[in-house]
Amino acid sequence: AQSVTQPDIHITVSEGASLELRCNYSYGATPYLFWYVQSPGQGLQLLLKYFSGDTLVQGIKGFEAEFKRSQSSFNLRKPSVHWSDAAEYFCAAAGKSTFGDGTTLTVKP
Amino acid sequence: GAVVSQHPSRVICKSGTSVKIECRSLDFQATTMFWYRQFPKKSLMLMATSNEGSKATYEQGVEKDKFLINHASLTLSTLTVTSAHPEDSSFYICSARSIGGGADGNTIYFGEGSWLTVV
Repeated sequence: AQSVTQPDIHITVSEGASLELRCNYSYGATPYLFWYVQSPGQGLQLLLKYFSGDTLVQGIKGFEAEFKRSQSSFNLRKPSVHWSDAAEYFCAAAGKSTFGDGTTLTVKP
Repeated sequence: GAVVSQHPSRVICKSGTSVKIECRSLDFQATTMFWYRQFPKKSLMLMATSNEGSKATYEQGVEKDKFLINHASLTLSTLTVTSAHPEDSSFYICSARSIGGGADGNTIYFGEGSWLTVV
């Protein structure tokens, strides 16, 4: 069955520190992969997506993600976190719109 | 990016009544739309997949007679919560998958969500 796993439920980083949020997928073929961010009480905003081609994709708000087929991973990264990045982050795969359980990011001042 | 609009953003209804939530793709066509329910501090729970011009496909455990989904056009899907009860109170989110080619093809965009409170 198709699945997306986000191993980290909650991550805390200091403002200005680097960030990596993990995402692993289980699919028969290479899926379309997405990362979304959700602020409290809001809908989901698309950060970036991977369909094919260059495995390092750039998104909005300074985020990037790298697709690694050998590890079935699509980890989200940001070199320097801002306090406004505190939110819930979801990794997703297209097809049946499969979502990970989300990772809550807390940013310490 | 593409825009998906949900309406209403907040609704309060009395127990036993029905309430309709609309999901519109404003600048693209979507043959497939998805409806989710999200509980506080929880992930998104896919309720159903809505396909334009055909019946929705419901996930296991979702009552199709209670959560009526209609996808009448390539830009509109509706979710009607029938005979609502307080336990139906939740945050409901829709998403739409863009069709066609190009950079936005097959991308899933989300609405802003609708808060339903049943009193």
